[in-house]
Amino acid sequence: QVQLVQSGAEVKKPGSSVKVSCKASGDTFSSHAFSWVRQAPGQGLEWMGAILPILGTADYAQKFQGRVTLTMDGSTTTAYMELNNLRSEDTAVYYCARDLFVGSSWSHGMDVWGQGTTVTVSS
Amino acid sequence: DIVMTQSPLSLPVTPGEPASISCKSSQSLLHSNGYNYLDWYLQKPGQSPQLLIYLGSNRASGVPDRFSGSGSGTDFTLKISRVEAEDVGIYYCMQARRPYSFGQGTKLEIK
Repeated sequence: QVQLVQSGAEVKKPGSSVKVSCKASGDTFSSHAFSWVRQAPGQGLEWMGAILPILGTADYAQKFQGRVTLTMDGSTTTAYMELNNLRSEDTAVYYCARDLFVGSSWSHGMDVWGQGTTVTVSS
Repeated sequence: DIVMTQSPLSLPVTPGEPASISCKSSQSLLHSNGYNYLDWYLQKPGQSPQLLIYLGSNRASGVPDRFSGSGSGTDFTLKISRVEAEDVGIYYCMQARRPYSFGQGTKLEIK
């Protein structure tokens, strides 16, 4: 059974960067995609992007283009989300999730989720 | 981008009674392969979201059969045949064509 364990909570200053990790265990890592979803306090879910190792690409929501970078390290079975130029509106819980992608644009759902990482941006 | 609209946003339900949530998309989610790329997720209080339904009507592993998904194209419904106390939380629909987008969420509470 796949498990995703994320790194701990972060407190950052506006204008800085944060890098959240998501370690996968229990399954073949490189054959899956991983999406990142965030949830601001009291708000709904917002998809940020997905990394697709089989396709060798990452796909980002337009809102985060140029500010977020998704990567994976197969040797440590860890996915990473780095968000730059942080602002107060980026205060949120960030989730990684295994994405059962099919083809180049479609998915059969995100079936395993990490526990979430709280990122607080404050001066 | 595709906009997802859920209703109602709040849903008080008596245990044992049925419940229904509507989700509408601004574009058709019906693929030429005949599948509808629409998921349903439940986020229980203090927990990460969990996948309930994928491809519009397929229950994810371990999901009780009191949950069912239906619909096609732009109109979808999640039904709970008999609500239990453990079903409280926020239900989200999500269109599964990248860039993915979620509905606003429907908060189910027990009366």
